Amino acid sequence: GAVVSQHPSRVICKSGTSVKIECRSLDFQATTMFWYRQFPKKSLMLMATSNEGSKATYEQGVEKDKFLINHASLTLSTLTVTSAHPEDSSFYICSARGSDSTDTQYFGPGTRLTVL
Amino acid sequence: LAKTTQPISMDSYEGQEVNITCSHNNIATNDYITWYQQFPSQGPRFIIQGYKTKVTNEVASLFIPADRKSSTLSLPRVSLSDTAVYYCLVGANTGGFKTIFGAGTRLFVKA
Repeated sequence: GAVVSQHPSRVICKSGTSVKIECRSLDFQATTMFWYRQFPKKSLMLMATSNEGSKATYEQGVEKDKFLINHASLTLSTLTVTSAHPEDSSFYICSARGSDSTDTQYFGPGTRLTVL
Repeated sequence: LAKTTQPISMDSYEGQEVNITCSHNNIATNDYITWYQQFPSQGPRFIIQGYKTKVTNEVASLFIPADRKSSTLSLPRVSLSDTAVYYCLVGANTGGFKTIFGAGTRLFVKA
């Protein structure tokens, strides 16, 4: 099956710093990548949708200047949490979707962000 | 966007068959039905996908009635390691589509 990786798997940072999370599709080209965040015992919440070579589309309530998304190639998307604060601590998950019509998404293993 | 409704939680015992039903009354013609499994602190894992009737793979079966307004994920002979949250999603890879996760079903398998 298709494999999606995320790096890092876990990051702890100080308040005010920026953190970059990478999402890679390892064996297929992802025309669309999605970024989610998940709080404990809650469902995944879609943050933004990114298509290769174009600006990301953010969900309502998600600050685009705080969560910078870059989808520079068909295999890589990055999420940068700028000036992170403790309330940004969460589990961030990316997914990638190919170009077929079935909407099958393949998810990365997630990144646990803790902001002190 | 097709909204999905699933039971919040289910309990089962090892060796039993578990059926989780998802309602999606507003499913569109182009939509596929996909089920994912998620363990704590991991990304969701694809289980099975279907469009109509029945689909079976090595881990599960998916039953979809003719009107496609619901679907049932069937897990044969569950084990303790099947304890997880199961999500039902509907959608298609058409322009502008985005996936919205529902609350999922928390399955707890007991010994």
